[in-house]
Amino acid sequence: GENVEQHPSTLSVQEGDSAVIKCTYSDSASNYFPWYKQELGKRPQLIIDIRSNVGEKKDQRIAVTLNKTAKHFSLHITETQPEDSAVYFCAPRGGGNKLTFGTGTQLKVEL
Amino acid sequence: SQTIHQWPATLVQPVGSPLSLECTVEGTSNPNLYWYRQAAGRGLQLLFYSVGIGQISSEVPQNLSASRPQDRQFILSSKKLLLSDSGFYLCAWSGSSNRVHIQYFGAGTRLSVL
Repeated sequence: GENVEQHPSTLSVQEGDSAVIKCTYSDSASNYFPWYKQELGKRPQLIIDIRSNVGEKKDQRIAVTLNKTAKHFSLHITETQPEDSAVYFCAPRGGGNKLTFGTGTQLKVEL
Repeated sequence: SQTIHQWPATLVQPVGSPLSLECTVEGTSNPNLYWYRQAAGRGLQLLFYSVGIGQISSEVPQNLSASRPQDRQFILSSKKLLLSDSGFYLCAWSGSSNRVHIQYFGAGTRLSVL
């Protein structure tokens, strides 16, 4: 099965700074790489995803970069705001229609 | 548009009691359906997934079972709850095509077994 590691487990930044979260995976057949955001007590929601034929994707203040050779992908948030505070999960898709979720990164954006 | 409904939102059950959580999807046909459990402060663990009526795959051995009696209905059950079954249970769906991978989650059920 897919082994997924996510770093860091907690991240504290000042408002306006950038945040980067990295996810490594083991299954070389993985071909879809999403990031989910989960606010306290709420459901996870997809914020950005990338497919294996693309190296980078950007959507306003968030971006995802993929390095298939090294088997890792990263979430980048620029100009962080308090509402970015949440837990972020990577969830690469390996064999079959299954996502394997990372252990999560607690992001805190401080004023 | 597609929507996913999950209930109840919260549930407190005694040890040894049965469990039934229900999830339904609207606005799509033949979805892939998933049950996840999330322990406090932890990631999501896939419990079951289904690609069609009556087709259930179990990911981890446990005290729970799942059924899919209709195309857009997914049920999580237990005959006798354990303390360790406490957690946040999330149902999710995705398109059935190999090219549609995005999973959409229900609002979740917070289960406390006492």
